[in-house]
Amino acid sequence: AQSVTQLGSHVSVSEGALVLLRCNYSSSVPPYLFWYVQYPNQGLQLLLKYTSAATLVKGINGFEAEFKKSETSFHLTKPSAHMSDAAEYFCAVRTGANSKLTFGKGITLSVRP
Amino acid sequence: NAGVTQTPKFQVLKTGQSMTLQCAQDMNHNSMYWYRQDPGMGLRLIYYSASEGTTDKGEVPNGYNVSRLNKREFSLRLESAAPSQTSVYFCASRTRDREVSGYTFGSGTRLTVV
Repeated sequence: AQSVTQLGSHVSVSEGALVLLRCNYSSSVPPYLFWYVQYPNQGLQLLLKYTSAATLVKGINGFEAEFKKSETSFHLTKPSAHMSDAAEYFCAVRTGANSKLTFGKGITLSVRP
Repeated sequence: NAGVTQTPKFQVLKTGQSMTLQCAQDMNHNSMYWYRQDPGMGLRLIYYSASEGTTDKGEVPNGYNVSRLNKREFSLRLESAAPSQTSVYFCASRTRDREVSGYTFGSGTRLTVV
């Protein structure tokens, strides 16, 4: 079985501050990991994905994530938050190229002026 | 623009009514999925279709049926709506090839059952 855990439901940062959104996974086989972003009243958009190539993955809008097998983690970071980053962020896992995505419960990111 | 199109965008139903949520993709994707999104629950898989002609249950299939009409279209039917089915429903699709691809999502259907 596969699962992801996103601790907490809400993170608030100041504009210009570091963004860190945590994701831990559980998988019996090497996973494929994804981060999605959802802006209000919209669908989900792929931010980045880990597919067993480089452990540091760069995505859109300045976000990146690092796969750490020893910690079973795939935390999302951005050096400097922008107001437009306010959204809900979902971590997701797949255990095979053709298996289904399992999502975490999501984290809402707020950015203060 | 290429992508996943869901209709309707909003719907209010009375308990016991039926309706079908429509989903179509124009990216020649093989696999299609229906998720529901509820506050604090993330996205939960209702049904999926790995390829044209096949459908399978996901995590929360009770109260729903699906039809993979052709390669482009995958519909979700509520036969007798219940207030517990108030949710935002997302359709997604994915190509089925050797690359590990993400899903492409539609913009969602907001359903309220009263």
